[in-house]
Amino acid sequence: QKEVEQNSGPLSVPEGAIASLNCTYSDRGSQSFFWYRQYSGKSPELIMFIYSNGDKEDGRFTAQLNKASQYVSLLIRDSQPSDSATYLCLIGTSYGKLTFGQGTILTVHP
Amino acid sequence: EPEVTQTPSHQVTQMGQEVILRCVPISNHLYFYWYRQILGQKVEFLVSFYNNEISEKSEIFDDQFSVERPDGSNFTLKIRSTKLEDSAMYFCASSRGGHTEAFFGQGTRLTVV
Repeated sequence: QKEVEQNSGPLSVPEGAIASLNCTYSDRGSQSFFWYRQYSGKSPELIMFIYSNGDKEDGRFTAQLNKASQYVSLLIRDSQPSDSATYLCLIGTSYGKLTFGQGTILTVHP
Repeated sequence: EPEVTQTPSHQVTQMGQEVILRCVPISNHLYFYWYRQILGQKVEFLVSFYNNEISEKSEIFDDQFSVERPDGSNFTLKIRSTKLEDSAMYFCASSRGGHTEAFFGQGTRLTVV
């Protein structure tokens, strides 16, 4: 089993819809969970982080963490064409290691 | 706003040569990372560095690679005897703590010919 897995893409949603991105991880010692966005040819940029079980909202973005089931998700409400990018989950273990999932390509079409 | 800076932005080298990729992490950060992204593929963890030593490394980070913090501000990745398959974008990142968000530099595109 891969350390961090994301749902296979590409994911295509219409403008204004909700985009749902999921990530599962294998290491139960994982303590920190991040969502990054990467535009083609650019470096990853942080969208949100979450450390505790439950939901965390920031504007149009909501991160959800369930440590018992070992998954973290990102919801994007009112999706915009500018949200089209690759979304990466990044999981931190207790050993100072941050591991990316393989990324999900999101396309928001007008 | 503080940022992670990487130099050069693009490096072309001949197969078999040694390259050094340079990074200046954010000044009050304590953890430093190198990642690699081969074109069209995922971002792969190479190594993390804390308290002047490697804290974690992946199976990719073999004897061909080494990291160093030579002067308290720079963080370097050395790749010895480069191979064609080392061609990739290399990202440096830093974070305040082992569980806090990492900030990424703009990357160095390494092309081995």
